[in-house]
Amino acid sequence: DQQVKQNSPSLSVQEGRISILNCDYTNSMFDYFLWYKKYPAEGPTFLISISSIKDKNEDGRFTVFLNKSAKHLSLHIVPSQPGDSAVYFCAASETGANSKLTFGKGITLSVRP
Amino acid sequence: DSGVTQTPKHLITATGQRVTLRCSPRSGDLSVYWYQQSLDQGLQFLIQYYNGEERAKGNILERFSAQQFPDLHSELNLSSLELGDSALYFCASSVQWRARNEQFFGPGTRLTVL
Repeated sequence: DQQVKQNSPSLSVQEGRISILNCDYTNSMFDYFLWYKKYPAEGPTFLISISSIKDKNEDGRFTVFLNKSAKHLSLHIVPSQPGDSAVYFCAASETGANSKLTFGKGITLSVRP
Repeated sequence: DSGVTQTPKHLITATGQRVTLRCSPRSGDLSVYWYQQSLDQGLQFLIQYYNGEERAKGNILERFSAQQFPDLHSELNLSSLELGDSALYFCASSVQWRARNEQFFGPGTRLTVL
């Protein structure tokens, strides 16, 4: 039972345009969400996170939006660069429990020069 | 470089064998997590340790076990290996054990069971 879903396996975007990566979750107890980026042969790298008390968090070119009522979050990358080409994982955790992360299956982003 | 180290990078072994994967967390991090990534799967949480004590277990098989030592490094032991155990195994670390902590991942160990 996938509690974190990334339904689009891949996304291709032109350099300079916006990349929007989507993530849905089913567990209403999740209240902290993270995005990780992963290059081949490397471990996931933390990108940005958001707490459920916020609906937006921004860090440079990366912005994460959270819609709690829809149980949906998205990662916006503006402008997209070829170096952003990687697999992006959405993850969630639940305060009050341990800090284990529940991951989606990932989205492969390709940014075309 | 996340500061988390994992050895070995690659491991090839046969069914029925036993292997040990090693992880050293970032300096100052007390919590260690193990995740498994199989083909076409996201990362699946296996087990968490904090300062030497087990804190949480995920869908970890009984054939698998782990421990965290006084110097905070951790080992994941996989025994009676099966073909389906072939996967990437990642270790992550964080400062605390509670939620709302970013976890920092090592480069992973690729296990191939033949």
